[in-house]
Amino acid sequence: DIQMTQSPSTLSASVGDRVTITCRASQSISSWLAWYQQKPGKAPKFLIYKASSLESGVPSRFSGSGYGTEFTLTISSLQPDDFGTYYCQQYNSFSWTFGQGTKVEIK
Amino acid sequence: QVQLQQSGPGLVKPSQTLSLTCAISGDSVSRNSAAWNWIRQSPSRGLEWLGRTYYRSKWFNEYTVSLKSRITISPDTSKNQFSLQLNSVTPEDTAVYFCARGRADYYGMDVWGQGTTVTVSS
Repeated sequence: DIQMTQSPSTLSASVGDRVTITCRASQSISSWLAWYQQKPGKAPKFLIYKASSLESGVPSRFSGSGYGTEFTLTISSLQPDDFGTYYCQQYNSFSWTFGQGTKVEIK
Repeated sequence: QVQLQQSGPGLVKPSQTLSLTCAISGDSVSRNSAAWNWIRQSPSRGLEWLGRTYYRSKWFNEYTVSLKSRITISPDTSKNQFSLQLNSVTPEDTAVYFCARGRADYYGMDVWGQGTTVTVSS
């Protein structure tokens, strides 16, 4: 299986801050990467697909970039509703895998 | 608006079979470009994709390697739903189980069920 490693594991930031989360794949996955946000007790919410394409209805402060083995999710101006845990997920190989998550806390 | 509604028992005894169903509204399990997935989440394993079923002129299934001998995901076209069966469960299979839709190939999972907490215990 392709291993996905996210960093940091936790981050604390203030409203209005620019936040960046990194996701690294153990081998190249081209652009086949998705990002999700999960809040406690809820299912993950789909944010980005194909590394940089924003899902319909997702605020434009979210953006994704990367190719191959290194990817980033950026929140350009953190909002109170952006708290939660963010996961990357590769769908390059037939056996899909997730990162371990990055917990975002609002200061 | 597409919705996925999960059902199934929350408690399963060790060595028995875990069975969950995901009912689809607003889409079709047989749609040629969609895929229908099961995922689970536990504190020890995080999010773990289990497998999927999809129709591309015929039915296909793909499963995570670690569960391949114990898992079956199957569509029910008459009820527009799909199901998960996991055999010979142990306490390690205790998790929140989610179903989710892949809208199209190479797209990710855009619609999720509400989640079902399944505990494996005698």
